Amino acid sequence: DVKVTQSSRYLVKRTGEKVFLECVQDMDHENMFWYRQDPGLGLRLIYFSYDVKMKEKGDIPEGYSVSREKKERFSLILESASTNQTSMYLCASSLIGTGDNEQFFGPGTRLTVL
Amino acid sequence: GENVEQHPSTLSVQEGDSAVIKCTYSDSASNYFPWYKQELGKRPQLIIDIRSNVGEKKDQRIAVTLNKTAKHFSLHITETQPEDSAVYFCAARPYNFNKFYFGSGTKLNVKP
Repeated sequence: DVKVTQSSRYLVKRTGEKVFLECVQDMDHENMFWYRQDPGLGLRLIYFSYDVKMKEKGDIPEGYSVSREKKERFSLILESASTNQTSMYLCASSLIGTGDNEQFFGPGTRLTVL
Repeated sequence: GENVEQHPSTLSVQEGDSAVIKCTYSDSASNYFPWYKQELGKRPQLIIDIRSNVGEKKDQRIAVTLNKTAKHFSLHITETQPEDSAVYFCAARPYNFNKFYFGSGTKLNVKP
């Protein structure tokens, strides 16, 4: 019953390349999130979206952009990958609103930038 | 904005002992506090949560306590088992926001 999927589990790119990370959820959630996970730093929010074509910056948006053309899909874009963007990237989705809205996470994409 | 601090960063206990992980938050408007467990190589999954109008919540061997006045909340795991070994994240969500603010994580190791 996998509900949030990410396009790749592992990705290796070169410095300067444009990188696309894709996330798809099948729970009809309004909210979608992109996090970066680094040891000792927890989960840091890059961007989130609460509706199609809507986006808001998180805590560390520099060097990233996002796209949400359809409700179920949220893409993270690294315009020009750099070595300091080597990390684990986690996508999540949740219902909108102020209830107990659990975030469901994808399996993660481990990106290495050489 | 909200700031969530989590301690300790690593915790090692003997099987059968209890484990406690503590988090503090800064925004008094936060009203929802979930805890996520991430096993090695797997995605984070919700294990328990608590709202600000409740002081304690239990689910079998897991409990969460919340002190709104002091702005801290804790995860308690009793009778720990090796399968409890994982990284645990606390989070806080301010009222009327859709964003979660996560702690830095605690790596729990339960020794058999």
